[in-house]
Amino acid sequence: AQTVTQSQPEMSVQEAETVTLSCTYDTSESNYYLFWYKQPPSRQMILVIRQEAYKQQNATENRFSVNFQKAAKSFSLKISDSQLGDTAMYFCAFLNTNAGKSTFGDGTTLTVKP
Amino acid sequence: GAVVSQHPSWVICKSGTSVKIECRSLDFQATTMFWYRQFPKQSLMLMATSNEGSKATYEQGVEKDKFLINHASLTLSTLTVTSAHPEDSSFYICSAREDLAGADEQYFGPGTRLTVT
Repeated sequence: AQTVTQSQPEMSVQEAETVTLSCTYDTSESNYYLFWYKQPPSRQMILVIRQEAYKQQNATENRFSVNFQKAAKSFSLKISDSQLGDTAMYFCAFLNTNAGKSTFGDGTTLTVKP
Repeated sequence: GAVVSQHPSWVICKSGTSVKIECRSLDFQATTMFWYRQFPKQSLMLMATSNEGSKATYEQGVEKDKFLINHASLTLSTLTVTSAHPEDSSFYICSAREDLAGADEQYFGPGTRLTVT
C-alpha cells in the first residue's frame, strides 16, 4: 500500500514571498503520478500541478513548481510570489496507475499574510 | 477543463431518513468515479470506487449497505446514505476520471455538506 506524508500541518508566508510545502511518499510501484491539489475555503478541489514518475524534469505551472526526487521519494511544492488567493489547504496525492486510485496526504494549511 | 457537478450542495435531514447525492460529469464520460468523505481540516478519505455498469468497490471499513452507490451511466453516479445518523454528518466529495486510455487526472465535484439532525 502507498502512503503519503505531509509533515507540515500549517504554514504561513508573507505576500510576494516564496514558500515550499513538503511531501514524501512510500511505494514499490514504478509507474505512478504525483499531484498537488489546492482546497480553498470553498472546499472545491483544484489541481495545482502534476508530475509523471517517469519524467526526470520537474513540472512547473506558472508560479508553482515541484522538486521531484524519485530516489528519495520526495515531491515538494514551491509557490513563488505568494498571493492572498493562495491561502488554502494543499494536498499531495499519489496515483497508482495499476490500482487506479489516489492516496492523499493529510494536507498542509497555508496562510498567505498581507 | 472537465467539469463535475454534485447535487445537492448541502442537505439537512433527520436521523433515520435516507439521502441521495448525485455526481455528474458534465462534458466527458467517466467509467470510474470516486466517492470521498472529508471531515473539517482533514484529508479526503476514499469510501468507494464506482464503476459504470458494475458494483462499486468499497474501501475497508466502509459499510456498503449504509452507503449505496449506483453508477447507472457514464455520466452519473449516486451515493445514498441510508438510515442516516448524526455521525454520518460530513462533507462528501465525488470525483471522476475521464474514460480515455492513459487518463490519470481526477476531476472533483464541489462537494455536498450533509448534516443529520
